[in-house]
Amino acid sequence: GAVVSQHPSWVICKSGTSVKIECRSLDFQATTMFWYRQFPKQSLMLMATSNEGSKATYEQGVEKDKFLINHASLTLSTLTVTSAHPEDSSFYICSARDSGVRGFDTEAFFGQGTRLTVV
Amino acid sequence: EDQVTQSPEALRLQEGESSSLNCSYTVSGLRGLFWYRQDPGKGPEFLFTLYSAGEEKEKERLKATLTKKESFLHITAPKPEDSATYLCAVRASGSRLTFGEGTQLTVNP
Repeated sequence: GAVVSQHPSWVICKSGTSVKIECRSLDFQATTMFWYRQFPKQSLMLMATSNEGSKATYEQGVEKDKFLINHASLTLSTLTVTSAHPEDSSFYICSARDSGVRGFDTEAFFGQGTRLTVV
Repeated sequence: EDQVTQSPEALRLQEGESSSLNCSYTVSGLRGLFWYRQDPGKGPEFLFTLYSAGEEKEKERLKATLTKKESFLHITAPKPEDSATYLCAVRASGSRLTFGEGTQLTVNP
């Protein structure tokens, strides 16, 4: 299957600082990428849809000024957690679909996730 | 609103003991049902896509089936390395996925 690389795999930051997480599609182009958040023993919660060359679409209840998303190219999307607080500590996962494949029914591939701990 | 319910929440099996995981869904116009495997601290790993009722797909000890209301993931003669959380997701309109809560499978040697 296609490969989605997410970096870093874990990060510890101080409260009040910002953290950037990168998501790259390594062997395909992705006009759309997705950012999820996952709490322990819970399923994936979609935070936002990242669109190449345009603004991200945020899910209800997700603060767009806190979780900044940039999708500057067909292979890279970034999520920046601004002014992080301990309650932002979580597992963040990105996913992408191959935009070269027609239709909306193909599978999405996921990155390996980023464990963020804010102290 | 699309809904996905997985059962059981957790399942413990002995090695070689076959069983099934259930994924019930309610969507308007299913455009794909997806099964993923997730290991602790990792992102989901794609397993199967099913598109229409009656469809079946197999991969090693896993077999996924689909009806108009639910999907089953059958595990035949599981091994300890099959231990993971199995996630079911559906896609209706657009490209977003709606996930179930997952089934945590433990296979004891």
